[in-house]
Amino acid sequence: QKEVEQNSGPLSVPEGAIASLNCTYSDRGSQSFFWYRQYSGKSPELIMSIYSNGDKEDGRFTAQLNKASQYVSLLIRDSQPSDSATYLCAVDDKIIFGKGTRLHILP
Amino acid sequence: GAVVSQHPSWVICKSGTSVKIECRSLDFQATTMFWYRQFPKQSLMLMATSNEGSKATYEQGVEKDKFLINHASLTLSTLTVTSAHPEDSSFYICSARAPGGYTDTQYFGPGTRLTVL
Repeated sequence: QKEVEQNSGPLSVPEGAIASLNCTYSDRGSQSFFWYRQYSGKSPELIMSIYSNGDKEDGRFTAQLNKASQYVSLLIRDSQPSDSATYLCAVDDKIIFGKGTRLHILP
Repeated sequence: GAVVSQHPSWVICKSGTSVKIECRSLDFQATTMFWYRQFPKQSLMLMATSNEGSKATYEQGVEKDKFLINHASLTLSTLTVTSAHPEDSSFYICSARAPGGYTDTQYFGPGTRLTVL
């Protein structure tokens, strides 16, 4: 059974700093990887998708994928208080979610 | 962008009653919809995959006779929680995927919070 592992946090990061979120997955054959942000009481919203090894940047967000080591990470530059949320790592077509990392940006 | 709606956004019901939740793709046709459940402080758990015009595929441990899914059209899937009990209280979220799209075109609804008394 596919598994996706994340540190549940909370991860506290000062405003303006870089937040680094990590995720590992068990199925070496996984092809699609996603980061979602979920605010309390709300449904997830897609931040980034990544399919090939390396970095993918979108604004303040950078997703990094290393298939050999089976991990995917999300960097948030210039962290803002509005970035405080739970970040869910998800893998593959049916979207298997990790348990999420709670990120808290300290103003 | 693509919009997925859910109705109702919240519902409170008595134990033993059935509750129907609707998931609609408002501006695109979705051949595949997914139903998730999320308990407090836990991650989303996929319950079933709903394909238009065919039977839903349920994940292991999800009772298909308790959670009835109907995907009668390309814009509507329904989840009926039959004979609901307090342990069914949860946040139910649907998502819809546009036909021919990649997995990053999966759009989530706003969720339905079910409370069973």
